[in-house]
Amino acid sequence: QKEVEQNSGPLSVPEGAIASLNCTYSDRGSQSFFWYRQYSGKSPELIMSIYSNGDKEDGRFTAQLNKASQYVSLLIRDSQPSDSATYLCAGRSRRGSYIPTFGRGTSLIVHP
Amino acid sequence: DTAVSQTPKYLVTQMGNDKSIKCEQNLGHDTMYWYKQDSKKFLKIMFSYNNKELIINETVPNRFSPKSPDKAHLNLHINSLELGDSAVYFCASSHTSGGGGNEQFFGPGTRLTVL
Repeated sequence: QKEVEQNSGPLSVPEGAIASLNCTYSDRGSQSFFWYRQYSGKSPELIMSIYSNGDKEDGRFTAQLNKASQYVSLLIRDSQPSDSATYLCAGRSRRGSYIPTFGRGTSLIVHP
Repeated sequence: DTAVSQTPKYLVTQMGNDKSIKCEQNLGHDTMYWYKQDSKKFLKIMFSYNNKELIINETVPNRFSPKSPDKAHLNLHINSLELGDSAVYFCASSHTSGGGGNEQFFGPGTRLTVL
C-alpha cells in the first residue's frame, strides 16, 4: 500500500515562530508533492507544490523535498494565528494513472 | 467567478434513498475528481475522469456511479444510501493526469448526512 504519513498533531507554536510540518512517503516512484491548507469546515486549498530535491520558497512558506529520504516538509515562518488549520501533504506517483495520495493531515495551532 | 462549484452544499437524507451531487469547473481543466473526507478528516480519492473518460476507480461500492457529460462537469450519483456514506464529498479538478503541474483545485464540498 502506497502511503503518505503525517503526524496528526496538534502542533502548537507561538505567534511569530517557525512551524515545521513533516511528511514521509513510501512510494519511491512519487514525483510530485503538494501541501494543502484546510480550515475547519472548508475545502483544501493549495499552498505549495514541489517536484525537485531541495527547497522552494513562496512568501512565508518553504517546501523542502528529499527524495533519498522520502521526506517532504513545509516551514511556515512568522506564524500567525490565521495559519491555524490542518495541513495536508499529498504525493503523486507515476504508478498507472498517477493516483494522488493524501496524508491524514497535521493540525497546526498558532497561539498569540 | 467560482472556479470549482458543487451543489448542493448540504444534503440530509434517509437511508435507502438515492441522491446526486453535481460539480462544475470553469478552469479549463481536463481532469476531475471525487474525494470522500470522513469524520477523521482522511481525504480519500474515489474517482477521476480525464476528458470524460474514467481513469481512476478506487475501491468504492458500485452504489456510487460517477458521470461526466463533458470535461467541465462531473456528477456523482449514490444509490441506496447507507449510514456509512455520511461524509463530506469534495470535487476537484486539475490539468492533465500525468507528469508534474497537476495541482488540484477543490470545490467547497457537499456535506452528506444519512439518517
